[in-house]
Formats: sequence, structure tokens, C-alpha cells
Amino acid sequence: EPEVTQTPSHQVTQMGQEVILRCVPISNHLYFYWYRQILGQKVEFLVSFYNNEISEKSEIFDDQFSVERPDGSNFTLKIRSTKLEDSAMYFCASSENIYNEQFFGPGTRLTVL
Amino acid sequence: AQSVTQLGSHVSVSEGALVLLRCNYSSSVPPYLFWYVQYPNQGLQLLLKYTTGATLVKGINGFEAEFKKSETSFHLTKPSAHMSDAAEYFCAVSDLGSARQLTFGSGTQLTVLP
Repeated sequence: EPEVTQTPSHQVTQMGQEVILRCVPISNHLYFYWYRQILGQKVEFLVSFYNNEISEKSEIFDDQFSVERPDGSNFTLKIRSTKLEDSAMYFCASSENIYNEQFFGPGTRLTVL
Repeated sequence: AQSVTQLGSHVSVSEGALVLLRCNYSSSVPPYLFWYVQYPNQGLQLLLKYTTGATLVKGINGFEAEFKKSETSFHLTKPSAHMSDAAEYFCAVSDLGSARQLTFGSGTQLTVLP
């Protein structure tokens, strides 16, 4: 069964460093998303992406964040200069079209020291 | 703005007992409602969804949920709990279709006791 994959499963970085979180969505899906979950808090929407551009973004998704689909399979989330409060589990999701459910990856746990 | 409230961050039931996980939502437009389950070290898996039509929705693994507009609720139930149901359950709402942003509740950790 097709699934969304994410790498790495755990990323540790120093405050101020850039990180790139990688996702491989399901191959025939057209809509892509990033969510995050700070420990003990709710899963929060960050951004959605369709047709090589951002569709929606939340207030969390400021200038420190960017997304990219560099090739036909990967979907990345970049944080330019990480802060302690960026420590969280980051989930990638994809959906086939606007009417279908979102399929989630297993997440990347980001720890900023 | 939308919001989701899940009553009870931890719920324990005995194996074979009824499972009831509560979810109330707030939305200014007709909502699309979802229940996701997360097993340890795995992603969020869709259990069931309500978009339009029949208000009683059946999902995978014997779970079902009923959309009650008058109560703004979408509680998740299963008649008989199994040990394998132990996981974290998230209720979520979207107002513009399944492929728009999801607003999640804080989750309910279900423990099934032998």
C-alpha cells in the first residue's frame, strides 16, 4: 500500500542552524502539507502546497520557513535559522485531490539545542 | 475560526468494553470532520470522515462516529475494545473540503486493559 515517507526520523540541530526536512508523498497525489506538533500540544497546520506554489499557510509559517518540491518526488520543509521553540514533531501529508483525505507520514522529530 | 475540543486526554477501558471518545467542534460553516489514529512511532491514519450525507459514519477497525449538528459533536465509538486499539486518537475539522487545512484536537490516549 502506498505511503508517505519522511526522513530523517529524528534530527538534532543547534539553534541558528538551517534544517531541511524531507518527505516523499504518495506518487499520484497533487496536494502536499506540513503540520507540526510541539510536545504535549495539538497538531498544527503549517502550509499547503499545490501546483508548485503555496496554497495556504498559517501564522506559524513565517519567513524562517520555506517549502519546495525540488523534483517529481520530494517535498521539503526548510527552517532557515532554527529556534528552541521549533523543537517539535513535523508531519508531512498528501492528498490525491481537494476532495480526498490527507495521508500522513510518520513524522520527523526535530530537536533544537 | 474553527476549533476542536476533545474531552479526556486519557481514557482507559477494559478489553471488550465500549469505547467512547468525545469530540466537540466549533465552525462557522458546515464542517468536514475526521478521526485519525496514531500508533507509536507511526503517522496519523484516517479512521473515518464525515463530509455530507448520512450522519452516522463507519470507519475502519469497527469504529464509527455520529455527526450531531445540534450538539456540535462527533464522538467516536466502538462496541467492544480490543488490545490493538490502544493508541492516540485525534479529532479534526476542515471547513472547505478534505484537502484544506485540518484543525486538530489535542488528542485522547486510549488504554485498553486486559
